[in-house]
Amino acid sequence: DAGVTQSPTHLIKTRGQQVTLRCSPKSGHDTVSWYQQALGQGPQFIFQYYEEEERQRGNFPDRFSGHQFPNYSSELNVNALLLGDSALYLCASSSLGRLTGELFFGEGSRLTVL
Amino acid sequence: AQRVTQPEKLLSVFKGAPVELKCNYSYSGSPELFWYVQYSRQRLQLLLRHISRESIKGFTADLNKGETSFHLKKPFAQEEDSAMYYCALRSAGGGADGLTFGKGTHLIIQP
Repeated sequence: DAGVTQSPTHLIKTRGQQVTLRCSPKSGHDTVSWYQQALGQGPQFIFQYYEEEERQRGNFPDRFSGHQFPNYSSELNVNALLLGDSALYLCASSSLGRLTGELFFGEGSRLTVL
Repeated sequence: AQRVTQPEKLLSVFKGAPVELKCNYSYSGSPELFWYVQYSRQRLQLLLRHISRESIKGFTADLNKGETSFHLKKPFAQEEDSAMYYCALRSAGGGADGLTFGKGTHLIIQP
């Protein structure tokens, strides 16, 4: 099991552009969460997807949107990029049926906005 | 609003010395607390959760609701403990709810 995989690992965009990040959860997991980690900060919860629907959302603007596919993989989309969107974006998977709170993280996608 | 505070950005101790990484939280309900760790060039991973009341790699953490703290302790530090440590919170019974993380403490164990 490769665990949680994310792509791309690095990308550079300019202000105003749009970006899509992808995540495949750990085998057996049905829930995907996205976190933003700015430099020197802890991960900040963006939103969580379960059964192809947004189940919970953190304090992020509507420019941040997502999707979950029938195979449980997920995408994070960010529109109208701002310089402040530069960060490491982490995907974490879990199983909603196992209420342990343990998240399995990917290695992240590092986004730089110029 | 819930908040997790880790007052130390960096903590450096010598091998064999005791370690305590501080974590304080602010939450109006009943919380569940976690410690996540990130070793060099590895992913963020769960170290321990308060409901398990277990010792992992010699680390323990006790939830103190009176002081709203969840400090991580180890009596004798080892060089392989060097890593970034994040304290995290969610509501009790929150299933797979999103976690609120602190800013992290970089622990360096000197030989």
